Amino acid sequence: GAGVSQSPRYKVAKRGQDVALRCDPISGHVSLFWYQQALGQGPEFLTYFQNEAQLDKSGLPSDRFFAERPEGSVSTLKIQRTQQEDSAVYLCASSLNEYSYEQYFGPGTRLTVT
Amino acid sequence: DAKTTQPPSMDCAEGRAANLPCNHSTISGNEYVYWYRQIHSQGPQYIIHGLKNNETNEMASLIITEDRKSSTLILPHATLRDTAVYYCIVRDTGGYQKVTFGTGTKLQVIP
Repeated sequence: GAGVSQSPRYKVAKRGQDVALRCDPISGHVSLFWYQQALGQGPEFLTYFQNEAQLDKSGLPSDRFFAERPEGSVSTLKIQRTQQEDSAVYLCASSLNEYSYEQYFGPGTRLTVT
Repeated sequence: DAKTTQPPSMDCAEGRAANLPCNHSTISGNEYVYWYRQIHSQGPQYIIHGLKNNETNEMASLIITEDRKSSTLILPHATLRDTAVYYCIVRDTGGYQKVTFGTGTKLQVIP
């Protein structure tokens, strides 16, 4: 079946521009996670959704980062006024529910801010 | 704070067993040990998890010490496609919990 998909796969933005990254989780998956992965590092948690509710946003690095999942399926991570330090791979993962032992990851969006 | 400690890198000859260690000395009684791997330019992929008994699936075996303070992921016959970064994670499955990946072990399988 279809896995987690993310778009775009690659995004180049000029410093100061706004970007929107999309995640399509596996159908029926209640839980959705966003991670940020800098070069050579492991994924760092950004935020967690249970259906449409954003239950944990403790990992968002600044108020320029905003995530939503209005209908409990597709999610968008928005970064306003991008900075060079925002350059990273942004990973989305979904799981059946909060008790699931396995998170299914998408391929990620590589954001480069110039 | 990272809950696990892993060596930054390891090499393994193709066809041999790869044994990847992980220390988790502060693990609590209701925390499971999980392993994920990340092949270059892909998202992480779940491999296996366990509480206190050894576990085996089609991908790997997980050996957890009796005191649960460390574990070893075993890939019985490593192939070039097993070259990846392997992450050892501990988490409680009693509901939502933020996952901390750490930096993992870069496994290089050598022909």
